[in-house]
Amino acid sequence: AQKITQTQPGMFVQEKEAVTLDCTYDTSDPSYGLFWYKQPSSGEMIFLIYQGSYDQQNATEGRYSLNFQKARKSANLVISASQLGDSAMYFCAMREYTSGTYKYIFGTGTRLKVLA
Amino acid sequence: EAEVAQSPRYKITEKSQAVAFWCDPISGHATLYWYRQILGQGPELLVQFQDESVVDDSQLPKDRFSAERLKGVDSTLKIQPAELGDSAMYLCASSFKGRQRNEQFFGPGTRLTVL
Repeated sequence: AQKITQTQPGMFVQEKEAVTLDCTYDTSDPSYGLFWYKQPSSGEMIFLIYQGSYDQQNATEGRYSLNFQKARKSANLVISASQLGDSAMYFCAMREYTSGTYKYIFGTGTRLKVLA
Repeated sequence: EAEVAQSPRYKITEKSQAVAFWCDPISGHATLYWYRQILGQGPELLVQFQDESVVDDSQLPKDRFSAERLKGVDSTLKIQPAELGDSAMYLCASSFKGRQRNEQFFGPGTRLTVL
């Protein structure tokens, strides 16, 4: 079974609109973490936002917010007021503690295209 | 701001040749990761170091890939011999154990093309 699932291979959004990128996860570790990364065409992975499993509030970082629904095991990324520079691949990742160390698993990504 | 350094940024090689990639993590980061990312997919962990010790290399094709981090600082990933299917982006990341979120910081990557 996939530990991290991103069901949207590609998304389009109009400039200045909001967009939600979906991510579901599966883990038995009670103390896990969830991350979103942005990967522009240049290739570097840019950290966007983090949500800990025990965090009571949804994480926010500027225009990025994470819609964390623990019971549903979902951690959707919301980008508000989309900009042309937001066009990139977006990866959801999970950190879990197994076998004495932290492990990170990445989803397959969603390619976002912002339209002018 | 401290960054993870990787070199080279691009490498073109012929199959059956040897290639090596270098990574210098952020100072003080004890954990270092090598990922392979095939075009259109998410990063896949190849090897993870804690200081100089390997803690996970379960997905490393050990017949042709090797990785070392001799002094617990910088690291080298080697492929010998390279195969066509090794064409991918190779990403290095590091993290500081002790931070609550323990996020990974990534380098710019090495884009490998095997002809």
